[in-house]
Amino acid sequence: AQSVTQLDSHVSVSEGTPVLLRCNYSSSYSPSLFWYVQHPNKGLQLLLKYTSAATLVKGINGFEAEFKKSETSFHLTKPSAHMSDAAEYFCVVSVKTNAGKSTFGDGTTLTVKP
Amino acid sequence: SQTIHQWPATLVQPVGSPLSLECTVEGTSNPNLYWYRQAAGRGLQLLFYSVGIGQISSEVPQNLSASRPQDRQFILSSKKLLLSDSGFYLCAWVQRLDDNEQFFGPGTRLTVL
Repeated sequence: AQSVTQLDSHVSVSEGTPVLLRCNYSSSYSPSLFWYVQHPNKGLQLLLKYTSAATLVKGINGFEAEFKKSETSFHLTKPSAHMSDAAEYFCVVSVKTNAGKSTFGDGTTLTVKP
Repeated sequence: SQTIHQWPATLVQPVGSPLSLECTVEGTSNPNLYWYRQAAGRGLQLLFYSVGIGQISSEVPQNLSASRPQDRQFILSSKKLLLSDSGFYLCAWVQRLDDNEQFFGPGTRLTVL
């Protein structure tokens, strides 16, 4: 079984300040972990993924995430928020034994204030 | 390169009418295919997935059905829509034996009135 919890449903930051979106997961097997971003009325775009290689993963648009097995966490960070980062963010866990099925978190809405 | 298409992009249907949403993938073969629904302000709920032609697994009991008539085509249907079927429907594919990264289509916004 697998599950994912996004600890904050809403995060608000000022432009130019750091972003932290928190995600905890549980999985019976070695997981793959993903962060996706969704802009209003759009499909989901992959930001970054962890698939058992380097624990610090760098993604697009300056985002990165660190896989911490001991804490079962995969938090998403960005040093400096941009107005265009305002969107919905989903943390996703998946294992290869599960027919490729993924489990999505409930999402975190990121608001960026000017 | 691979692409995924969904149509229509938006749809407004009366309660009790039928539904057919189509998803097609190009540039890959033998993918796993998925249908998700996203209700307003909510996360994604997996509705159906398919690991091959004619093979459909349902994740939640509901008013909808799915079919996979061809390797790269996945269809979501209903005989009679309910108000609760409104939402944003997303199709996704995964290349099997890969790392389970999902590639999403642009989605269909369905409003049932």
